[in-house]
Amino acid sequence: KAGVTQTPRYLIKTRGQQVTLSCSPISGHRSVSWYQQTPGQGLQFLFEYFSETQRNKGNFPGRFSGRQFSNSRSEMNVSTLELGDSALYLCASSLSGGTDEQFFGPGTRLTVL
Amino acid sequence: QQPVQSPQAVILREGEDAVINCSSSKALYSVHWYRQKHGEAPVFLMILLKGGEQKGHEKISASFNEKKQQSSLYLTASQLSYSGTYFCGTEKGSWEGAQKLVFGQGTRLTINP
Repeated sequence: KAGVTQTPRYLIKTRGQQVTLSCSPISGHRSVSWYQQTPGQGLQFLFEYFSETQRNKGNFPGRFSGRQFSNSRSEMNVSTLELGDSALYLCASSLSGGTDEQFFGPGTRLTVL
Repeated sequence: QQPVQSPQAVILREGEDAVINCSSSKALYSVHWYRQKHGEAPVFLMILLKGGEQKGHEKISASFNEKKQQSSLYLTASQLSYSGTYFCGTEKGSWEGAQKLVFGQGTRLTINP
């Protein structure tokens, strides 16, 4: 079956702009988590969605938001971009969260100039 | 809150063994292990749960000491394909299956022929 897909794969934005990233989970998976990966901070949890509801949230400012649709696809939005938001954004899906195995997508590389 | 992994990096020759450790200052419900090769998404290796249950690949072994909040990943007779960065992700416990993994900084493993 198809894996987790993320679009776009690469993005270049300027400070102050906003961006929306998309994630399509594996068919049948209802939990989608988002992570930010940077060389300095490693893999940091952003939030988790399940059945269109945000169940968990990491320690990121309110500029980072997300949502999940009825087909489990998820989007993440970052408003008023800052240079420090440059990172690889990974989404991961699992059957229902909890202690289920997560399958990661290839990520979206965001560069903020 | 972020678990501490040790060592930060290790270089082995093919066929040698390695142990990667993950320690947390918080009581844990589960520990998840992932491997990420350069330029690729993290890939699931194993989940260890409080109480002794394990889910993962047969060729990977790991331990979880609940009292010490520590987990160790054992890589025996290493192969070139084992190279990559290993991350442990810890979970304190979830309500209604919510998932929130806090990842360590990673251990970079290099296997030389």
